[in-house]
Amino acid sequence: SYVLTQPPSVSVAPGKTARITCGGNNIGSKSVHWYQQKPGQAPVLVIYYDSHRPSGIPERFSGSNSGNTATLTISRVEAGDEADYSCQVWDSSSDRIFGGGTKLTVL
Amino acid sequence: QVQLVQSGAEVKKPGASVKVSCKASGYTFTSYGISWVRQAPGQGLEWMGSISTYNSNTKYAQELQGRVTMTTDTSTGTAYMELRSLRSDDTAVYFCARDMTTVTGSYYMDVWGKGTTVTVSS
Repeated sequence: SYVLTQPPSVSVAPGKTARITCGGNNIGSKSVHWYQQKPGQAPVLVIYYDSHRPSGIPERFSGSNSGNTATLTISRVEAGDEADYSCQVWDSSSDRIFGGGTKLTVL
Repeated sequence: QVQLVQSGAEVKKPGASVKVSCKASGYTFTSYGISWVRQAPGQGLEWMGSISTYNSNTKYAQELQGRVTMTTDTSTGTAYMELRSLRSDDTAVYFCARDMTTVTGSYYMDVWGKGTTVTVSS
C-alpha cells in the first residue's frame, strides 16, 4: 500500500515562511491535496491538485510537488495559521490516503 | 451555502452498531460523491470509504470491509454510514465530506461536516 510521510511537527516565527513536507514514492506523479485542521474543528481544504487554492484561502498558502516530496508553503505566517496540516493523495490500489499530519506551531 | 450537517454524538457498547447521517444542502446532491473519514483521539485522518450519490457504488477501506456500509437517500439528500461490531478502537470523530475529482482522476474533499463523536465503551 502507498504511504505518505509527514514530519510530526514544524515550528516557525510569525512573519516567516513555513514549509511542511509530504513524502511518498514518486509522489510527483500524483495529485496532492492539503487540509488544515484546528483543534475541535473539521478539516478545511487549503490546496488541491498540488497547487490550486480554493476560494477564500489566502494567497499566502501555496503548494508544490515533484519527485518524492510535495510541499505546502505558508508565507508570512500568522498566529491563526497554527493547526494540524495533512496531505492526501489518491492511489489506484489504496484509494484515498492521508499522511499522518504535521502540527504547525507559531512561536 | 454548501453544507453537510451530521447527526449527534453516540455512545455504544462493544459489539453494537452505529449509524451516522450526513444531510447535504446548497448543491445538487447527486452531482458529487460522499466520503467518510474518521479521526481517533490524538490521531490522524483515516479514509473509511466513499459512495457515489449517482449510482450508489461504494468503495471501502480494506481494513473495514465487512463491517461498514454506506448508503444514500437521494429523496432527502442524506448519506449514511453504518459501522457494525464496534470495538473500543472505533472510538473516533466521524466526518462526512463532499468528494471532488481532478482532471487526472484524483479525488479530494472540498466541504466537510462538523463531525460526529462515536464513543465505544462498556
